[in-house]
Amino acid sequence: KAGVTQTPRYLIKTRGQQVTLSCSPISGHRSVSWYQQTPGQGLQFLFEYFSETQRNKGNFPGRFSGRQFSNSRSEMNVSTLELGDSALYLCASSLVVTPGETQYFGPGTRLLVL
Amino acid sequence: DQQVKQNSPSLSVQEGRISILNCDYTNSMFDYFLWYKKYPAEGPTFLISISSIKDKNEDGRFTVFLNKSAKHLSLHIVPSQPGDSAVYFCAASEGSGNTPLVFGKGTRLSVIA
Repeated sequence: KAGVTQTPRYLIKTRGQQVTLSCSPISGHRSVSWYQQTPGQGLQFLFEYFSETQRNKGNFPGRFSGRQFSNSRSEMNVSTLELGDSALYLCASSLVVTPGETQYFGPGTRLLVL
Repeated sequence: DQQVKQNSPSLSVQEGRISILNCDYTNSMFDYFLWYKKYPAEGPTFLISISSIKDKNEDGRFTVFLNKSAKHLSLHIVPSQPGDSAVYFCAASEGSGNTPLVFGKGTRLSVIA
C-alpha cells in the first residue's frame, strides 16, 4: 500500500507570494491533518479535514487555509507569504482521527521564503 | 503555552546501553500518548503509544512508561542501536472528540557505536 505523498518536496518563494501544497493520503484514509515544523518548535497543528470538512483548526492566522477533495486528497494554501513561514509542512493521514489512533506522515514539503 | 514538553533537546548514548527519553505534559485531559521517530528528510514514523489506563506498554526494544500523577512519560530503548539515531517526538491527545495531536519539540538521540 502506498504511503502518504506530498508534492512538491521543495519550494522556494518570495515574500508576498502565495503557495499551494498538496497531500495524497493512504488509500482508504479519510482524515488528513497538516502540521508545520520549524527549527526548535516541534510540530504545530494547522488543521484537520475529514470527508471534505474542516474539523479542527490550530492557532494560525487566516493566511493559512486548506481544503479536502472527495477523493480525500488535500491541499493547503498560504497567502501573502512571510519569512517566518519558512518551514517543513507535514501532512498526516488516518482512517479517522480517534483518540490514540496512529497518524501516518508524508515526507513533507520544505518551503523556503526569501 | 507548551502543553507537551521535551526538556532535553539532545541525548547521546553508547550502542548497547539504554536510552531514556523523557516527556512532561500539563494538560490533565490528555488520555493518549504517542512517540514518533523522525529521520532527516523523512516524515515522522509512529513508534509506540500508551493509553492513560495503562502505565506501561512494550514493543520489542521499546517500552513507554506513563506516570499520570506526575504527568510524565518516558521512552526506553534497550539495547540502543546506531539505527535508532533520530529525533524523537512525544505527542498527546485528549480522549474526547476528534482532537488533534499535540507534539513536543523533540529530542535528538545519537547512538554512538
